[in-house]
Amino acid sequence: SAVISQKPSRDICQRGTSLTIQCQVDSQVTMMFWYRQQPGQSLTLIATANQGSEATYESGFVIDKFPISRPNLTFSTLTVSNMSPEDSSIYLCSVEDWTGNYGYTFGSGTRLTVV
Amino acid sequence: GENVEQHPSTLSVQEGDSAVIKCTYSDSASNYFPWYKQELGKGPQLIIDIRSNVGEKKDQRIAVTLNKTAKHFSLHITETQPEDSAVYFCAASMRTGFQKLVFGTGTRLLVSP
Repeated sequence: SAVISQKPSRDICQRGTSLTIQCQVDSQVTMMFWYRQQPGQSLTLIATANQGSEATYESGFVIDKFPISRPNLTFSTLTVSNMSPEDSSIYLCSVEDWTGNYGYTFGSGTRLTVV
Repeated sequence: GENVEQHPSTLSVQEGDSAVIKCTYSDSASNYFPWYKQELGKGPQLIIDIRSNVGEKKDQRIAVTLNKTAKHFSLHITETQPEDSAVYFCAASMRTGFQKLVFGTGTRLLVSP
């Protein structure tokens, strides 16, 4: 299966600042996804990122707050902008993985704490 | 849109016992049902999945069953071991073309030695 490297693994940030999370995949993938997992909760899709097009955001998530880049088929970034303590969550990158058995593979996540 | 319910929220078993986690989904068009295991501080790891044209799938100590008529699917873990302790998530989506994965609320499984 695809191997995903996500950076940083964790960070503590001041409110009002922004953090950019990077997701690097070891193979070319069409579909990349960004999820948020609030403490003790399930996973919620933020947006879908296709190379060469604007990201598609889910209800409740907006581009100004969570801008996404997808410059090529192996890389994407998610920025969490103007952070508040409510943004404290785990942010996860995922890909639709056609290597080996089909499935959706996840990175190890970025644990963000906003103080 | 799709909605996935998962039960129980927590499950405690003794080592060697079996564990069963159940999920129901709402969209009859869903045809792909993966299960993920998430250990503390890690991302979700796919442990088994099932497509709608299959009623049951096994992989060593884990199995998944699917009842499309009733729109529910279950994860079965036999001979549980302490390393099975984790949070388990079910999910549903349509596999053809992209349809987002919709996750259940998770089950915290604790296996006591």
